[in-house]
Amino acid sequence: AQSVTQLGSHVSVSEGALVLLRCNYSSSVPPYLFWYVQYPNQGLQLLLKYTSAATLVKGINGFEAEFKKSETSFHLTKPSAHMSDAAEYFCAVSDIGQGAQKLVFGQGTRLTINP
Amino acid sequence: GAVVSQHPSWVICKSGTSVKIECRSLDFQATTMFWYRQFPKQSLMLMATSNEGSKATYEQGVEKDKFLINHASLTLSTLTVTSAHPEDSSFYICSAREDTATNEKLFFGSGTQLSVL
Repeated sequence: AQSVTQLGSHVSVSEGALVLLRCNYSSSVPPYLFWYVQYPNQGLQLLLKYTSAATLVKGINGFEAEFKKSETSFHLTKPSAHMSDAAEYFCAVSDIGQGAQKLVFGQGTRLTINP
Repeated sequence: GAVVSQHPSWVICKSGTSVKIECRSLDFQATTMFWYRQFPKQSLMLMATSNEGSKATYEQGVEKDKFLINHASLTLSTLTVTSAHPEDSSFYICSAREDTATNEKLFFGSGTQLSVL
């Protein structure tokens, strides 16, 4: 069975500082990996996804994530935080054979940006 | 971009009553939609896969008679929580899969907070 662990339910950084949100996955088959962002009172938006091509994936809003098979990790980073990045972030994994269908989500990390 | 509308965003009901939640794809057709449940500070858990014109596929442990899913058109899926009880209080989120010739994307609704008294 697949699973996702997001380390830290709450991360707080200063505006302009590096953002690092951690995600480790467990999968018996090659995975698809996703990061979603949820702003207050809105649906989940796809930030980026890994689908077995390049291990460094660039997404929207300056975010990127690197797939490290040896560490079973897919951490999300952004060099310089902006106030508008404050939101809930979810890491998710899917079986390659299922594509964008059945997603298993992590518990989420709330990102707070301090002025 | 593609939009999924979920309604209502917030509902309070009495124990024993039924509540219907709607999930609409506004500018695309969605043969497949998904229903998730999220408890506070926990993951989104997939409840069921809703297939247009056929029966929904429920995940293990989800009572199909409790959570009725209807996907009668390519733009609308509904989740009805029947005979709701306080333990059904949760945040319910739907997603719709856009099927195109070259890509496959999931779009999420904004969720429904259900509180059962």
